[in-house]
Formats: sequence, structure tokens, C-alpha cells
Amino acid sequence: EAGVTQFPSHSVIEKGQTVTLRCDPISGHDNLYWYRRVMGKEIKFLLHFVKESKQDESGMPNNRFLAERTGGTYSTLKVQPAELEDSGVYFCASSQDWLAGGRLEFFGPGTRLTVL
Amino acid sequence: DAKTTQPPSMDCAEGRAANLPCNHSTISGNEYVYWYRQIHSQGPQYIIHGLKNNETNEMASLIITEDRKSSTLILPHATLRDTAVYYCIVVRDTGKLIFGQGTTLQVKP
Repeated sequence: EAGVTQFPSHSVIEKGQTVTLRCDPISGHDNLYWYRRVMGKEIKFLLHFVKESKQDESGMPNNRFLAERTGGTYSTLKVQPAELEDSGVYFCASSQDWLAGGRLEFFGPGTRLTVL
Repeated sequence: DAKTTQPPSMDCAEGRAANLPCNHSTISGNEYVYWYRQIHSQGPQYIIHGLKNNETNEMASLIITEDRKSSTLILPHATLRDTAVYYCIVVRDTGKLIFGQGTTLQVKP
């Protein structure tokens, strides 16, 4: 079974440009999460989808970030316009619903974004 | 979600058991203890989790104290590939994972 996949693996853009990151969750996982790690900082939660609905977007830094999950399958995270401080690694994770014993989040390999 | 406290770094000899401690003194009754690790720049990897009983899987064992205020992750026979940052996270069912600084485990030959 394929794990969580993310595209692209690396992206280098100039300040002011737009970048779209894509995440394909594990098949059958209704929950999809975005996290990011900026240089020298901890991994931070961005938002959580349940199917196509945003369950929690409390971690989104500002309105330059737009996440979508049309159809409840893959998700995109668009940064427009990108700023220097957006550089970092963006991780996507997916999970099944919370079961009696807990919820396991499976992470993708991440997209390394560099804004010049 | 409760905060956790972990030592910033630890060393372990290859083939020996690695015991990684975690304090979570403010944990609530409905919060689970999860352990993830991040090897180099890869995505975090789930290791194990528990509520109040000790747990064991093919990767590790999790020992949770009776008062649930602390826990220990045990890698029974550490290998060089276990060198990573290990995160102890407490979370309830609707909560999000909050990663701290974690413990950098260095397994040495």
C-alpha cells in the first residue's frame, strides 16, 4: 500500500511568486493534516481536513496560505505571494478516524520550499 | 493539550537498549501518549502510543507510570539507523500533534 506522497519534493521560487504543494494521502484516510518546519524551529501544525471540510485551521499563519481538498482526496496548499519567511519543509500527514485505541498519523516525506 | 519535557540529547551504544524519558505531569485522563521520530530530514514516523497500560510493538516498548505523569520509550537493541530526533506528544482524540524540541538520540558504534 502506498504511503502519503507529496509533490514536489523541492521547490525554489522567488519572493512574490506563487507555489502550490500537493499531498496525496493514504487511500481511505479521511483525515489529512498539513504541518511545516521553518529553519531552526519546531514542527508546527497548520490545518486539519476531515474529508473535504476544514476541521481546524488554527495553525495557518496568514491569508497568503490557502489549503483545499476538493472531493476529499488529495490536498493542495498554495502560498501566494510567497515571502522569505515561508521557507521550510512542509509535511502532510493522513490518518483514519479516531479508533478506540487512538489515531495514527502517517507522514509524507515533505516538500522543501526555498523562497529567495 | 498537555506539554511534555524531554532531555535535549542522549547517546546510546549500538546494540544496547535506549531509554528515552518524557515528563507530562499535566496530562489529562483522556490524553494519550504518542512517540514519533524524525530521521534526518524525513517525515516524522509513528513509533508507539498508549493511554495507561504499557505497550509493545515491533519497534519499541512504552512504559507509562501509574500516575501517568511520565513515560519511557525503550528501543531494546538500538542500531545506527535509530539515530533520530524522538518526540513525545500527549494528545486527546480531537487534538492536533504538538511537536516540541524532542530528544536527539545518537547511537554510536
